[in-house]
Amino acid sequence: AQRVTQPEKLLSVFKGAPVELKCNYSYSGSPELFWYVQYSRQRLQLLLRHISRESIKGFTADLNKGETSFHLKKPFAQEEDSAMYYCALSGRMDSGGYQKVTFGTGTKLQVIP
Amino acid sequence: DTAVSQTPKYLVTQMGNDKSIKCEQNLGHDTMYWYKQDSKKFLKIMFSYNNKELIINETVPNRFSPKSPDKAHLNLHINSLELGDSAVYFCASSQVERGATDTQYFGPGTRLTVL
Repeated sequence: AQRVTQPEKLLSVFKGAPVELKCNYSYSGSPELFWYVQYSRQRLQLLLRHISRESIKGFTADLNKGETSFHLKKPFAQEEDSAMYYCALSGRMDSGGYQKVTFGTGTKLQVIP
Repeated sequence: DTAVSQTPKYLVTQMGNDKSIKCEQNLGHDTMYWYKQDSKKFLKIMFSYNNKELIINETVPNRFSPKSPDKAHLNLHINSLELGDSAVYFCASSQVERGATDTQYFGPGTRLTVL
């Protein structure tokens, strides 16, 4: 079974403050981890994935297998970062060899001007 | 040139009615999904089809029946609608090969309101 936990439903930070959105996962194999973002009235879109090891819009996320975490970080929050953020895990299904993506419950990031 | 499209965008209907939501993707992906996002913004997978074959069917009432006429389309039919079905339904697609997962591309969502 695979599970993704985002402990914070809402995270409020001031503009310019550092941001850390927490994500922990449970999976017995080697997972693929993603962060998706949903801006107000827009569709979900990929923000970044751990295998890319890149920074998107100033956000980074490092996969920590020891702590089973994939926290999303940004050193200085901007107002346009306000959105809903979902952590997601892709793991192999027991049957058929297909991958299944499980989403966390999401964290709403509110950047206060 | 929209990648993943859904119709309708809004759907308001009475309890007990039957309704359908359509989804189309022009990305050439082989896998399509339906997700439900409830009022608390929880996002949960409902179904997944790979090349018209059902591969994921989560615990969803059998009033929900997906249909994939071809790999570019995945429609969702809902019978006997209930108040608890009110939510935003997202379609998504990705290119999935055994042992690998690509990015999911989401549609704009269909906001279903059951009165």
